[in-house]
Amino acid sequence: EDQVTQSPEALRLQEGESSSLNCSYTVSGLRGLFWYRQDPGKGPEFLFTLYSAGEEKEKERLKATLTKKESFLHITAPKPEDSATYLCAVRSYNNNDMRFGAGTRLTVKP
Amino acid sequence: GAVVSQHPSRVICKSGTSVKIECRSLDFQATTMFWYRQFPKKSLMLMATSNEGSKATYEQGVEKDKFLINHASLTLSTLTVTSAHPEDSSFYICSAGTNSYFNEQFFGPGTRLTVL
Repeated sequence: EDQVTQSPEALRLQEGESSSLNCSYTVSGLRGLFWYRQDPGKGPEFLFTLYSAGEEKEKERLKATLTKKESFLHITAPKPEDSATYLCAVRSYNNNDMRFGAGTRLTVKP
Repeated sequence: GAVVSQHPSRVICKSGTSVKIECRSLDFQATTMFWYRQFPKKSLMLMATSNEGSKATYEQGVEKDKFLINHASLTLSTLTVTSAHPEDSSFYICSAGTNSYFNEQFFGPGTRLTVL
């Protein structure tokens, strides 16, 4: 069964303090690994899709990387508006749906 | 592009009534839509996969007669919570796929259901 584990559960940073969020996964045939941002009371907002080990994608202060066992979401010089829950999900060739991790709640203080 | 809407955004109802939630893909055709449920500070739990023109596929433990799903067109799927009870109170989110192979999903804004 596909499994996704995110760590840490919660992360508090000072503005400008760079850090990384981890997403470990086990899946039978990775079709794609997805990162989403979710604000309270809102639906998840799509950030990145990664398809193969070694792939990297960037968007503003965020950079996602992928290995065969895990993905990292690096946040460089975060700002308070980056505060949100970041969700990781995987899709395998055996399933048409996504399996989500529990998320990391990021708080960036000014 | 790839915008998904949900209606209503918030609903409060009495126990025993039925509630319908609509999910629409606004600028693309979605052959598959997904319905999720999310509890406070928890991740998304897949309830069912909705395929246009066919019966929905429900996850284990999700009551088909309780959560009725209809995917009548390529842009609309509905979730009806029948005879709602307080334990059905939750945040319901739909998503739709835009690419048949890579199947990237875009999510609606969610519907907050409160059953009194």
